[in-house]
Amino acid sequence: GAVVSQHPSWVICKSGTSVKIECRSLDFQATTMFWYRQFPKQSLMLMATSNEGSKATYEQGVEKDKFLINHASLTLSTLTVTSAHPEDSSFYICSHLVLDTQYFGPGTRLTVL
Amino acid sequence: ELKVEQNPLFLSMQEGKNYTIYCNYSTTSDRLYWYRQDPGKSLESLFVLLSNGAVKQEGRLMASLDTKARLSTLHITAAVHDLSATYFCAVDPTGTASKLTFGTGTRLQVTL
Repeated sequence: GAVVSQHPSWVICKSGTSVKIECRSLDFQATTMFWYRQFPKQSLMLMATSNEGSKATYEQGVEKDKFLINHASLTLSTLTVTSAHPEDSSFYICSHLVLDTQYFGPGTRLTVL
Repeated sequence: ELKVEQNPLFLSMQEGKNYTIYCNYSTTSDRLYWYRQDPGKSLESLFVLLSNGAVKQEGRLMASLDTKARLSTLHITAAVHDLSATYFCAVDPTGTASKLTFGTGTRLQVTL
């Protein structure tokens, strides 16, 4: 399967700060990548679709000004959680699409104090 | 709104036993995916089912899809401890593999 990496794997930050999460496609040029959020013991929820060279497409209820997505190259998409609050604490997972399957990164655990 | 429900949510089974996890979804879809997630880890792709009647097997796991019933099953044969994980099904009603709606997840615990 395709290889996706994320950095950092975990981050702790203070409320009100911004956090950037990187998602890299290591063996495939990904024009499209996806960002998900998973709360403890819950399922994954699609937040947005990241498109290389254009604006991301956000799912209903996801604040685009709070969750900034940049997909500047075919191998890198970033998610910036701006002015993070404790309720943003979650497991953030990115994926990319190869043929008919999404392959997921290892995830980033964000804890906002 | 598409709903994807899995049954059961939690399953404790002994090694060597067989069991089936069910995934029901509420809208038409010809594509369904099964993923495995270990605690604190990301998702590993298990099966991609692309048409009605599709059946795929890998080791002790076998997945099937009935699009008319809007039902997929993940059958576990002679469970071993290494299969302990959370299993998610995901439905793709767009047919593009890009709009996945995940099920509630089934946490499987295989005991000795």
